[in-house]
Amino acid sequence: SQQGEEDPQALSIQEGENATMNCSYKTSINNLQWYRQNSGRGLVHLILIRSNEREKHSGRLRVTLDTSKKSSSLLITASRAADTASYFCATAPGGSNYKLTFGKGTLLTVNP
Amino acid sequence: DAGVIQSPRHEVTEMGQEVTLRCKPISGHDYLFWYRQTMMRGLELLIYFNNNVPIDDSGMPEDRFSAKMPNASFSTLKIQPSEPRDSAVYFCASSGGGRSYNEQFFGPGTRLTVL
Repeated sequence: SQQGEEDPQALSIQEGENATMNCSYKTSINNLQWYRQNSGRGLVHLILIRSNEREKHSGRLRVTLDTSKKSSSLLITASRAADTASYFCATAPGGSNYKLTFGKGTLLTVNP
Repeated sequence: DAGVIQSPRHEVTEMGQEVTLRCKPISGHDYLFWYRQTMMRGLELLIYFNNNVPIDDSGMPEDRFSAKMPNASFSTLKIQPSEPRDSAVYFCASSGGGRSYNEQFFGPGTRLTVL
């Protein structure tokens, strides 16, 4: 069963705009990760946020985590055409750091 | 490092045939994962190994699926007999090496089509 659910399912923006994707999950977690998948490729890890962290930054990425609402958001600032991809959140349930459950992803299209 | 290597990249077979997918993890990683991705079900964890030992195979759909890891640098996922509903992209991922042990590194995937 899917633990994480991303919202929206698809997002289309213009280059230079910010993109925000959300993830909700159901059970307690050790950490939450975001991955990117370009069409026809494997997933690439973007960022990990632990359950005791509230916000994390990496370059143009900003991730927040609200464990009380069981939700996370991924913000990509100043988007580029190369950011076009599917973005997945993955949760590691309490008691496991490795058994990841992925959502179905948000398809982000950045138009030049 | 070459990253996670999977072979073949594409496989087309007929229903009832045996299919073997191969994976070479990143050297030094002690966790290996097999996933399946379909449009309907998304990305599902099938099984994962730690130090060549299967830890959790609860995601393996049926007895037709089996996975082995005979050594730290090689793993196989076998489907026997294959069925059309097994058509999917199968990913292998590895993790470990100490620094970012939760981060999983994915291979390029094997696109399986069962006719």
